[in-house]
Amino acid sequence: DAKTTQPPSMDCAEGRAANLPCNHSTISGNEYVYWYRQIHSQGPQYIIHGLKNNETNEMASLIITEDRKSSTLILPHATLRDTAVYYCIVRSQETSGSRLTFGEGTQLTVNP
Amino acid sequence: EPEVTQTPSHQVTQMGQEVILRCVPISNHLYFYWYRQILGQKVEFLVSFYNNEISEKSEIFDDQFSVERPDGSNFTLKIRSTKLEDSAMYFCANQGLAYEQYFGPGTRLTVT
Repeated sequence: DAKTTQPPSMDCAEGRAANLPCNHSTISGNEYVYWYRQIHSQGPQYIIHGLKNNETNEMASLIITEDRKSSTLILPHATLRDTAVYYCIVRSQETSGSRLTFGEGTQLTVNP
Repeated sequence: EPEVTQTPSHQVTQMGQEVILRCVPISNHLYFYWYRQILGQKVEFLVSFYNNEISEKSEIFDDQFSVERPDGSNFTLKIRSTKLEDSAMYFCANQGLAYEQYFGPGTRLTVT
């Protein structure tokens, strides 16, 4: 699976959009971008994933650049409960059943 | 959202004792995983399980560890002779149809 790079920490004001970047310059054609988050000591939570098109669900939006070398997770209206570590993971769906490899992620702190 | 449950939420055991951590996965999801997270460290993959067999395991998953589905629904992780360094949060996960993984709330294992 391709390696990802994320900033170690970010701050965001409550009610504003949180934009979390991820670089994955070595991503290959069959690899998807997945985002998870972990609120303190809880189990990681799946957020969203995509291949090349932008994706949106009830939690977030995922913007993937045309060359697929980077992506941005957008939380449109951040709340205090969105404070968590956010992980960007690149993974091939052809390796179904294989491990998720968690990096350091981005610690997002939403401030009142 | 589908939900994975785990019991117990907290287990305290003495070094050398056997522990069994239990997971009730999402029905009809066929891939199962165990991860652990030592306090302050990354989430680490332990083992994946499919069709009643281990499909992949990490170097952490040595002979002290075993997994099984004893009754076709529950999914267990057994540590035969616990060591102090086994103290961690243990997370069970299920894979969904889009290869996303849903994590349980975790079991905090404390070895004294």
